[in-house]
Amino acid sequence: QVQLVQSGTEVKKPGASVKISCKTSGYTFTNNWIHWVRLAPGQGLQWLGQIRPSDTDNAPRFRGRVTMTADTSTSTVYMQLSSLTSEDTALYFCARDGGTYGDNEFWGQGTLVTVSS
Amino acid sequence: QSALTQPPSASGSPGQSVTISCTGTSNDIGYYNYVCWFQHHPGKAPKLIISEVTKRPSGVPDRFSGSKSGNTASLTVSGLQAEDEADYYCTSYAGRGTYVYGTGTAVTVL
Repeated sequence: QVQLVQSGTEVKKPGASVKISCKTSGYTFTNNWIHWVRLAPGQGLQWLGQIRPSDTDNAPRFRGRVTMTADTSTSTVYMQLSSLTSEDTALYFCARDGGTYGDNEFWGQGTLVTVSS
Repeated sequence: QSALTQPPSASGSPGQSVTISCTGTSNDIGYYNYVCWFQHHPGKAPKLIISEVTKRPSGVPDRFSGSKSGNTASLTVSGLQAEDEADYYCTSYAGRGTYVYGTGTAVTVL
């Protein structure tokens, strides 16, 4: 069955970067897009970007701060967010689409990132 | 690229219906038939309940239905049940490989 397992909780200082991993299994890694979405306190879901090995798209508001990469040997995707501020404190999810636009059927468990001095 | 606009809250008694709106622009909802809805219970991962405006994934009850008119999409939950109490988010494809999510609606079952 399809599974997405994310790395653990992170605590970072303002100005630092964070890199979250999302290890996938149960499907052909190159066939589907992996989306990165976050849920910040008091805010709704925000789309950060998507990656399918060798292709990426970033949300305009995060362009320049979000870097997504993929390791096809381990079926793992990574999302790095740089220049962190307190507003980046959020629960970050990776999610796999179902084959059409944005239909994220499978989700990771979420990674809590706290940015605090 | 602004977030899609949803009402902050909606409520209904068990058995009633509730409809949630999701307003975008002619660059996203108004142009593409790629609107999805997600149900989110705090502490869990979001769950896909509607894709491509009206399609229900396998296992999603037919109490959930989606529609679209112009720049506004809607989710209707009929026959409200206690377990429907959750946050609901819409999302739309916005072109050039990008997506935009809604502001979220907290549904309360009275």
